[in-house]
Amino acid sequence: QKEVEQNSGPLSVPEGAIASLNCTYSDRGSQSFFWYRQYSGKSPELIMFIYSNGDKEDGRFTAQLNKASQYVSLLIRDSQPSDSATYLCAVAFTGGFKTIFGAGTRLFVKA
Amino acid sequence: DARVTQTPRHKVTEMGQEVTMRCQPILGHNTVFWYRQTMMQGLELLAYFRNRAPLDDSGMPKDRFSAEMPDATLATLKIQPSEPRDSAVYFCASGISGQGTDEQFFGPGTRLTVL
Repeated sequence: QKEVEQNSGPLSVPEGAIASLNCTYSDRGSQSFFWYRQYSGKSPELIMFIYSNGDKEDGRFTAQLNKASQYVSLLIRDSQPSDSATYLCAVAFTGGFKTIFGAGTRLFVKA
Repeated sequence: DARVTQTPRHKVTEMGQEVTMRCQPILGHNTVFWYRQTMMQGLELLAYFRNRAPLDDSGMPKDRFSAEMPDATLATLKIQPSEPRDSAVYFCASGISGQGTDEQFFGPGTRLTVL
């Protein structure tokens, strides 16, 4: 069993819709949770991080964490074609030293 | 602006040759990570350093891969001998541990092709 699981997609949503990306992890000792965005041919870049249970909002992005269910999600409101990318879920232990990435979910936002 | 730099950006080599990839972390960052990304395996952590000390290199094939930080401004990843299955994009990332976000800043990557 992989430590961080994501649906590979592709997930296709129309422009203006809400895109919902999901991630599960296996290690209950995980403490830090990240969402990175990676455009084709580019390097990953951080868009959200969350440490505590509940929701965290930043602009059009909302990260949700449920440690009891070992589940973290990313919602993108008012999706734009420029949001089309692969979204990587990452999980880290104390101090963020060892970070495990999921395989990523490809998102397509149709204009 | 501050960014992680990696050289070379592209490398094509023949099986059995030595490959050295270099990374310059962002000035002031104390953690450095090496990742390998392929379509099949995704982004895999190979090794990481804190304050130049290796903390974990369990993700690397020890018989052919080695990672070092000769100084705070340079991290290297070597493959000797290289094999076709090593073909991938190798990313270096740096960050500051214990400063809150644990964000990692990725370099542009080295695209390695082993023939």
